[in-house]
Amino acid sequence: GDSVTQMEGPVTLSEEAFLTINCTYTATGYPSLFWYVQYPGEGLQLLLKATKADDKGSNKGFEATYRKETTSFHLEKGSVQVSDSAVYFCALSDGQAGTALIFGKGTTLSVSS
Amino acid sequence: DTAVSQTPKYLVTQMGNDKSIKCEQNLGHDTMYWYKQDSKKFLKIMFSYNNKELIINETVPNRFSPKSPDKAHLNLHINSLELGDSAVYFCASSRSAARTNTEAFFGQGTRLTVV
Repeated sequence: GDSVTQMEGPVTLSEEAFLTINCTYTATGYPSLFWYVQYPGEGLQLLLKATKADDKGSNKGFEATYRKETTSFHLEKGSVQVSDSAVYFCALSDGQAGTALIFGKGTTLSVSS
Repeated sequence: DTAVSQTPKYLVTQMGNDKSIKCEQNLGHDTMYWYKQDSKKFLKIMFSYNNKELIINETVPNRFSPKSPDKAHLNLHINSLELGDSAVYFCASSRSAARTNTEAFFGQGTRLTVV
């Protein structure tokens, strides 16, 4: 079945450091890919998405490119802030009727000043 | 205006009790979901309804029973609560399940603690 694999956390960075969180997927067909963020005590918010190969999703300085050849959707940010501390989830949707988002296990990011 | 709202936000109860969590969305979406998030933050789909019809029913104990009175509401009733039911339960909604590229919108979660 479809699945999403994310790098294990926690990831600990200093403010202004470069961030990469790796995400790879397994899916039949042509899934859409998402990154969600969960701040402490809150629900999940969509951070960015990409719906076809080579699409780049971006938001709030975060970027991810849908790479079909490597089945990857790595999240990057050039300069993290303390306020970026959260749990990040990679997810896919295969777009078929009757299916829900499939999530990776989440990566906790902690940014210190 | 809250898009997906769940109540209560916190729920502490004793083993063996029966409890319900309510969810409402004002986004006009056709599909609603219940996810369970465990202590390690792992998210697992439990149920999904499309226009009040159950379309996903994952391997969940039959003590868990969803109910959708209309497409804007999806409630979760849990009978005979057990310690292992302690988790955060998230409600979510999206446009029709048959559409591609459809992200889900999540509620704030209900933290259930069974003692």
